[in-house]
Amino acid sequence: AQSVTQLDSQVPVFEEAPVELRCNYSSSVSVYLFWYVQYPNQGLQLLLKYLSGSTLVKGINGFEAEFNKSQTSFHLRKPSVHISDTAEYFCAAEAGGTSYGKLTFGQGTILTVHP
Amino acid sequence: GAVVSQHPSRVICKSGTSVKIECRSLDFQATTMFWYRQFPKKSLMLMATSNEGSKATYEQGVEKDKFLINHASLTLSTLTVTSAHPEDSSFYICSALGAETQYFGPGTRLLVL
Repeated sequence: AQSVTQLDSQVPVFEEAPVELRCNYSSSVSVYLFWYVQYPNQGLQLLLKYLSGSTLVKGINGFEAEFNKSQTSFHLRKPSVHISDTAEYFCAAEAGGTSYGKLTFGQGTILTVHP
Repeated sequence: GAVVSQHPSRVICKSGTSVKIECRSLDFQATTMFWYRQFPKKSLMLMATSNEGSKATYEQGVEKDKFLINHASLTLSTLTVTSAHPEDSSFYICSALGAETQYFGPGTRLLVL
């Protein structure tokens, strides 16, 4: 079994500032890691995912995340945020194999970008 | 990108009644769909895996007789909350497994009075 912890429930930031949303996971097996974004009244959209290979993963909308196995972290970053990035962000893990598609989610982080 | 819809988007019902929530994959076929539940200010919790043409598999602690899942076609899964009670009030989200990734519906907010 795995668990996912998002360390910040809310992150306020000014427009064009950098942002980091933190995510830590624990698992007894290798996991795949994901970041999703949810805009109001919409379904979750995949931002990026780490399956294997390079630990720096680039996603849509200028976001990137770095898989750090020693620190069991998968923090999401963006060097310069826009007002339109205001949304709720979820980190998730999947064990793969027979658990293909079954996601364990963190509690979510609400990112609010102020002008 | 692929689209998954849910209907209704919100529903209010009386305690003791049953409520059906539909999840449809609009432009692709999904042999596997998932149902999640989200409590206020908490993460999404996987309830069950819905497999087309076979019985759903439920996660530990989820009552299969309370949350009936039917996956009758490759584009439709339904979740029926039977004899709903106020503690069943929640946000229910479905997802459909596509070729390379999972696509989520916008969610259904259920309020049981």
